Amino acid sequence: KQEVTQIPAALSVPEGENLVLNCSFTDSAIYNLQWFRQDPGKGLTSLLLIQSSQREQTSGRLNASLDKSSGRSTLYIAASQPGDSATYLCACYTGNQFYFGTGTSLTVIP
Amino acid sequence: EAGVVQSPRYKIIEKKQPVAFWCNPISGHNTLYWYLQNLGQGPELLIRYENEEAVDDSQLPKDRFSAERLKGVDSTLKIQPAELGDSAVYLCASSPRTGANTEAFFGQGTRLTVV
Repeated sequence: KQEVTQIPAALSVPEGENLVLNCSFTDSAIYNLQWFRQDPGKGLTSLLLIQSSQREQTSGRLNASLDKSSGRSTLYIAASQPGDSATYLCACYTGNQFYFGTGTSLTVIP
Repeated sequence: EAGVVQSPRYKIIEKKQPVAFWCNPISGHNTLYWYLQNLGQGPELLIRYENEEAVDDSQLPKDRFSAERLKGVDSTLKIQPAELGDSAVYLCASSPRTGANTEAFFGQGTRLTVV
């Protein structure tokens, strides 16, 4: 069974800082990896999807990388803003289902 | 394009009562998932449908949980009877295809509180 781990569990940074969220997975046989954002009491919003053959994807201030052989992905957020405060989850798609990490709770301090 | 729609958003029930959640996936999405998210945890799969067929229900507690997806469109998840430990967020997701581009689209979830 795929195990997905996210470190750190919580992160607090001042506004304007660049930051990196980490995601690791145990089984490299994935189709893709998806990063989500979850605001309190809300569902999951897809941020980026990286196919297994890709190394990175970018959307605005977000950049996600994937190293399938080492079982790692990172989400880089540039110039963080208070509106970025949320929980960020990564999920590995195996062809059958999405396996999620427990998330990183991010707080950006104005 | 409308997203995945779930209802109700919130539900409070007494233990031993039945409860049902409804999900309408994005039009044209053949795959539908029900996930359970406990507080501070990542979502975990309960059941996956391909059209109207439940292809993976291995993690669905079948003694009290049931689900259906009639006509391969919207879906209902039921709990009967509910227990205190069922308090959680129930998320529905859909995806249009399988393969490297498969992307999950989630609804807002139903937050269940069992008292």
